[in-house]
Amino acid sequence: DQQVKQNSPSLSVQEGRISILNCDYTNSMFDYFLWYKKYPAEGPTFLISISSIKDKNEDGRFTVFLNKSAKHLSLHIVPSQPGDSAVYFCAASALGNTGKLIFGQGTTLQVKP
Amino acid sequence: KAGVTQTPRYLIKTRGQQVTLSCSPISGHRSVSWYQQTPGQGLQFLFEYFSETQRNKGNFPGRFSGRQFSNSRSEMNVSTLELGDSALYLCASSLAPGDTEAFFGQGTRLTVV
Repeated sequence: DQQVKQNSPSLSVQEGRISILNCDYTNSMFDYFLWYKKYPAEGPTFLISISSIKDKNEDGRFTVFLNKSAKHLSLHIVPSQPGDSAVYFCAASALGNTGKLIFGQGTTLQVKP
Repeated sequence: KAGVTQTPRYLIKTRGQQVTLSCSPISGHRSVSWYQQTPGQGLQFLFEYFSETQRNKGNFPGRFSGRQFSNSRSEMNVSTLELGDSALYLCASSLAPGDTEAFFGQGTRLTVV
């Protein structure tokens, strides 16, 4: 039973355009969500997070949107850069416990010059 | 400020052997979690430790165990290794279970032959 789903295994965008990565979850107990970027054979790098009491959080080129009623969140990267090419993971936690994260399967983003 | 340090980075073991992996969290962080990443299953939660106590355990067999020391360093042990245990093992640290960010180490790549 996959509680966090990233239904798009891959995404390709042109440099300078917007990248939108999507994530759906099924567990109503999840109240905190995080996005990580990962390169092969390296650990995930924290990008941005959002609490369930908010519907939007911005940090530079990265914005995360949360739609609680739809149990859906998305990560927007504007403008996309070639260095953004990596695997992006969505993760969720319950009761604010980031010590136990449930991850999606990841989306591979390719930004073309 | 040093990040999360995992040792060793790479390890090759034979089926039936046991292995111990080490994780040193960011200075001041007291919560340590372990994850397994495989191509088929993605990133899966193994266990979470805080103040030398296991707070949560993922759905893994009893061959997987861990502990945390008084200096917050953690080890995980896998006994009677199986081919399917080949994976990237990742450690994450945070200040405490309710912290809003969890930072990952580079991981230990375990290959079982």
